[in-house]
Amino acid sequence: QKEVEQDPGPLSVPEGAIVSLNCTYSNSAFQYFMWYRQYSRKGPELLMYTYSSGNKEDGRFTAQVDKSSKYISLFIRDSQPSDSATYLCASAGSNDYKLSFGAGTTVTVRA
Amino acid sequence: SAVISQKPSRDICQRGTSLTIQCQVDSQVTMMFWYRQQPGQSLTLIATANQGSEATYESGFVIDKFPISRPNLTFSTLTVSNMSPEDSSIYLCSVIAGDYEQYFGPGTRLTVT
Repeated sequence: QKEVEQDPGPLSVPEGAIVSLNCTYSNSAFQYFMWYRQYSRKGPELLMYTYSSGNKEDGRFTAQVDKSSKYISLFIRDSQPSDSATYLCASAGSNDYKLSFGAGTTVTVRA
Repeated sequence: SAVISQKPSRDICQRGTSLTIQCQVDSQVTMMFWYRQQPGQSLTLIATANQGSEATYESGFVIDKFPISRPNLTFSTLTVSNMSPEDSSIYLCSVIAGDYEQYFGPGTRLTVT
């Protein structure tokens, strides 16, 4: 069993919709939680990062972590065609920072 | 944040040869990592490369196949040795900047024929 599970999708939404992405993890030692956006043929771009449980908001993006249920979420409001990409969740422990990645969810926002 | 560059950006190599990938960071960082992303797959950690110590490899990756150098706090190399078509992947370096944020380079796309 992978340490981080993510539905690979694909996910297709109309422009302006809310995109909801989720991951679950199994390692209780994970303290750091990241969301990356990866466009085709590019490296992953760090979108959001959180430490431990809680919510974090940055513009149209909201990241949530619920450590009690080992659940990680990313919400994209007012989605745009430029948001079309693969979104990767990742988690790491506090002692080594080695990231375990989910499979990535491919998102298409239709104009 | 950190700005990371990698060379080469892509290469096509013959089976049995070796390729050295360079990773350059615009600031001094202690922790650097090398990941592999196979076609259509997510990222898998190859090794951790901290300056002043030997690289530590994850299960399934060995130093003879993926030797790593970390001569200073802004630079590292990963060599893919004795390549086979199964080594065709994107190889990415990453660094820890700030408290714990991890940033990635653009990747090196390797095709082995």
